Amino acid sequence: AQRVTQPEKLLSVFKGAPVELKCNYSYSGSPELFWYVQYSRQRLQLLLRHISRESIKGFTADLNKGETSFHLKKPFAQEEDSAMYYCAPTGGGNKLTFGTGTQLKVEL
Amino acid sequence: KAGVTQTPRYLIKTRGQQVTLSCSPISGHRSVSWYQQTPGQGLQFLFEYFSETQRNKGNFPGRFSGRQFSNSRSEMNVSTLELGDSALYLCASSLDGTEHGYTFGSGTRLTVV
Repeated sequence: AQRVTQPEKLLSVFKGAPVELKCNYSYSGSPELFWYVQYSRQRLQLLLRHISRESIKGFTADLNKGETSFHLKKPFAQEEDSAMYYCAPTGGGNKLTFGTGTQLKVEL
Repeated sequence: KAGVTQTPRYLIKTRGQQVTLSCSPISGHRSVSWYQQTPGQGLQFLFEYFSETQRNKGNFPGRFSGRQFSNSRSEMNVSTLELGDSALYLCASSLDGTEHGYTFGSGTRLTVV
C-alpha cells in the first residue's frame, strides 16, 4: 500500500537554527515528490517538487531512494517559515497522497 | 490571473440532504482534483478529472461523485449527507497533472448537522 509518513506533528526551532522536516514514503515504482505549505489563514500552496531540483525560500529537499525519504531542509529558519508543511508523493497517476503534516514553529 | 475559485465558502446542511460544490480552475488548466480535509484524517484524495473524464478516484463511497464541464469547471456532489462528511473540501487545478504541481483553492467548509 502507498504510504507517506511525517513523524513529527510539531517541530519547534529557534530563529536562525537549521530545520529538517522528515518525510518517508512507501511506494511502488518511482513517485513524483512534492512539498506543500500552508501558512496561517492562507491556501495550501506548492513549495517545491523534486523533479525540478529548485530551492524555494531557502528550502531544499533531497530524494534518497535508498531510504525512501524526501526530507525538507533549510539552513537558517526565519520567523515567516512558521507554517504547516505537507509531504506529498504522487500515487498512481495524478493523485497526491498527503502526509499528516508537520507544524513548524520558529521562535525568536 | 485569477486563482482557483471555490463556491460557496461555507455551507451548512442537514443529515440526509445532498450538496453540490463548485470549482473554477485557473484559466488553461485542464486537470481538477478534489480533496477532503479533516482534523482526524488529514488531506484525502477524492477524485481527479481531466478533459471531462475522471482519471483517478480515491477510496470514498459512491455517495461522493463529481464531474467536469467542457470549460474545465468542476462540481462535486455528496448525496445522503452524514455527520462525518463535515470537512473542508479543497479543489486543485493543474495544467495536466502532478508534474507541474497543483494550485489549490481556499476550499468550501461543509458542516453537516
